[in-house]
Amino acid sequence: NAGVTQTPKFQVLKTGQSMTLQCAQDMNHEYMSWYRQDPGMGLRLIHYSVGAGITDQGEVPNGYNVSRSTTEDFPLRLLSAAPSQTSVYFCASSYSSSGQETQYFGPGTRLLVL
Amino acid sequence: GIQVEQSPPDLILQEGANSTLRCNFSDSVNNLQWFHQNPWGQLINLFYIPSGTKQNGRLSATTVATERYSLLYISSSQTTDSGVYFCAARRGFNTGTASKLTFGTGTRLQVTL
Repeated sequence: NAGVTQTPKFQVLKTGQSMTLQCAQDMNHEYMSWYRQDPGMGLRLIHYSVGAGITDQGEVPNGYNVSRSTTEDFPLRLLSAAPSQTSVYFCASSYSSSGQETQYFGPGTRLLVL
Repeated sequence: GIQVEQSPPDLILQEGANSTLRCNFSDSVNNLQWFHQNPWGQLINLFYIPSGTKQNGRLSATTVATERYSLLYISSSQTTDSGVYFCAARRGFNTGTASKLTFGTGTRLQVTL
């Protein structure tokens, strides 16, 4: 299994540009999430999904859209990039089995907005 | 939402030393996990431990849910243990929001020779 994969690894955008961060998992996990990590802070939840066709907002959803058309993919769209969105973005997937839930993270996408 | 606080924020150890990292949370939880972020940024799950004690090699974790804290023990530390350790928790008693974890700000550990 490849686990959780993210593309691109690094991206530079100009203010106002839009882009999509890709996330895919091959573990058939029902739950997927997007987090951002800023210096000196923990990870903050942007959006999450509990299954195909079902998404919901996390702690910091403004400026981001998500969709979940398949179990495997969970793309994150930046509608109009702003310097405040400069961050490292992590995608995660998890499953619930026998009362255990464990999150698996992708390698991250480092985004710089000029 | 739930508040998650970790201490200490920074820790420097000599190789071979033991350490205890603490995570306090403000509400009842049904999901508590510990993660290690290595110096290259990769996040690895260490433990799923909403209550009780687990051990994995030199690492062990204990969560006392009634007192709202969790401890991560690292014994005989090695330089490869360096990085940031995060605690993450989800409030409540229901499933269905399995992805909605709240993270602490982490403990940065440096293990020196």
